[in-house]
Amino acid sequence: DGGITQSPKYLFRKEGQNVTLSCEQNLNHDAMYWYRQDPGQGLRLIYYSQIVNDFQKGDIAEGYSVSREKKESFPLTVTSAQKNPTAFYLCASSIVTGGSAGELFFGEGSRLTVL
Amino acid sequence: GDSVTQMEGPVTLSEEAFLTINCTYTATGYPSLFWYVQYPGEGLQLLLKATKADDKGSNKGFEATYRKETTSFHLEKGSVQVSDSAVYFCALAPNYGGATNKLIFGTGTLLAVQP
Repeated sequence: DGGITQSPKYLFRKEGQNVTLSCEQNLNHDAMYWYRQDPGQGLRLIYYSQIVNDFQKGDIAEGYSVSREKKESFPLTVTSAQKNPTAFYLCASSIVTGGSAGELFFGEGSRLTVL
Repeated sequence: GDSVTQMEGPVTLSEEAFLTINCTYTATGYPSLFWYVQYPGEGLQLLLKATKADDKGSNKGFEATYRKETTSFHLEKGSVQVSDSAVYFCALAPNYGGATNKLIFGTGTLLAVQP
């Protein structure tokens, strides 16, 4: 079945360590996104990419990095510079429609806990 | 800047009760509006959408009408079920050209339906 796969589902990290969250999609979508979800704050955009080898910062990019070497993959690295990394991370993808907004398809999320 | 405000939860209802979750927005131009639903431990799924004023989005018994005059997109359902228990997010996609798939989300409203 087509969809978005995020891994791992749960991840524990010690302070000072970098961790990478995986996001793979087989929907043939051009655009991919990373959101962070915190209780009471909704979803906030970290990074997005509309085409391979190109990506843009979202509203809260500090302390995060991404790459987009393949259309299917958009991994997110949470670096030690991120001051408060404990959160639920959601990856999404969409068709790039240009003139009007399209639907976002979400993965099931990865919960990162810093010990 | 563009923003979405939705009613705080939790909203607790008995089965077969009428549901309204309020959502208002601030945006320039003519955004598209969405309701997404997140079931426990999962990612978000699109519930319904409307792309222009006076459009009504509907799905699974839920409805919402795009009201430009009141900048609102309230979610309604005539008779809720226990299986509707989830977090509901209102979102908008700005439509001023460029990356129109960058959704702006509200903070989410938790709905708990009791048998």
